[in-house]
Amino acid sequence: AQKITQTQPGMFVQEKEAVTLDCTYDTSDPSYGLFWYKQPSSGEMIFLIYQGSYDQQNATEGRYSLNFQKARKSANLVISASQLGDSAMYFCAMPRNSGNTPLVFGKGTRLSVIA
Amino acid sequence: DAGVIQSPRHEVTEMGQEVTLRCKPISGHNSLFWYRQTMMRGLELLIYFNNNVPIDDSGMPEDRFSAKMPNASFSTLKIQPSEPRDSAVYFCASSFLSGGINEQFFGPGTRLTVL
Repeated sequence: AQKITQTQPGMFVQEKEAVTLDCTYDTSDPSYGLFWYKQPSSGEMIFLIYQGSYDQQNATEGRYSLNFQKARKSANLVISASQLGDSAMYFCAMPRNSGNTPLVFGKGTRLSVIA
Repeated sequence: DAGVIQSPRHEVTEMGQEVTLRCKPISGHNSLFWYRQTMMRGLELLIYFNNNVPIDDSGMPEDRFSAKMPNASFSTLKIQPSEPRDSAVYFCASSFLSGGINEQFFGPGTRLTVL
C-alpha cells in the first residue's frame, strides 16, 4: 500500500527566503505520481504541482519546484522567494493505484512565513 | 469555469439528526471522491465513484454513512443519525484521467459540527 510521510509538523521561513518541505513515500508500483496541495486557513485544497515517476526533469511551476530523488523515494517541495501568502498547510499525496484512484495524503506541514 | 461545488459550506446540527452533504463535480470529470478531514486522522477517503458507480466504500465509517451519485453532475453524502464524532470537514473532489495524470480538483468543503 502507498504511504506518504511528512516529518515536519511545522516550519518557519523568512519572507523572500526559500524553504524546502520534506516528503518521502513508499510504493511498490513502478509507475506513480506525486502531488502537492496547499491548504490555506480558509480551508480549500489547492493543487500546486505534480511529478511523474518517469519524468526526466524535476517539475517546476512558478515559485514551486520539486526536488525529486527517486532512489531515495523523496519528493520535496521547494518554495522560492517566500511570500506571506504562502503561510498554509502543505500536503504531499500520491494515488493509491494507477489510474483514476483516490489520493493517499501525508499528515501535512504547516508553513509560517515571517515578515 | 466553475470548480467543484459543495453545499452547504457550514452545517451545525444536533446529535441524531440527518445530515445531507451535496456535491457537483466539474463537468466532464468521470471520477468523484468524498474525503473527510479531522485533526486526529488527517485526510481520509470515504468513498469514490467512477462513471457514477461506487468503486470503493471501505472508508465509510459505519452504516450511518451512505453516498449516492444518481448522475454525472451530482452526488450526496448522508449521515443518519449524526453523532458528535462525525464533526469534520468533508471534501468532495473530482478528476478526469488524462495522460496518466489524475489531478483531483477539490471543492471548498463542508464544515460539519454535530452538537
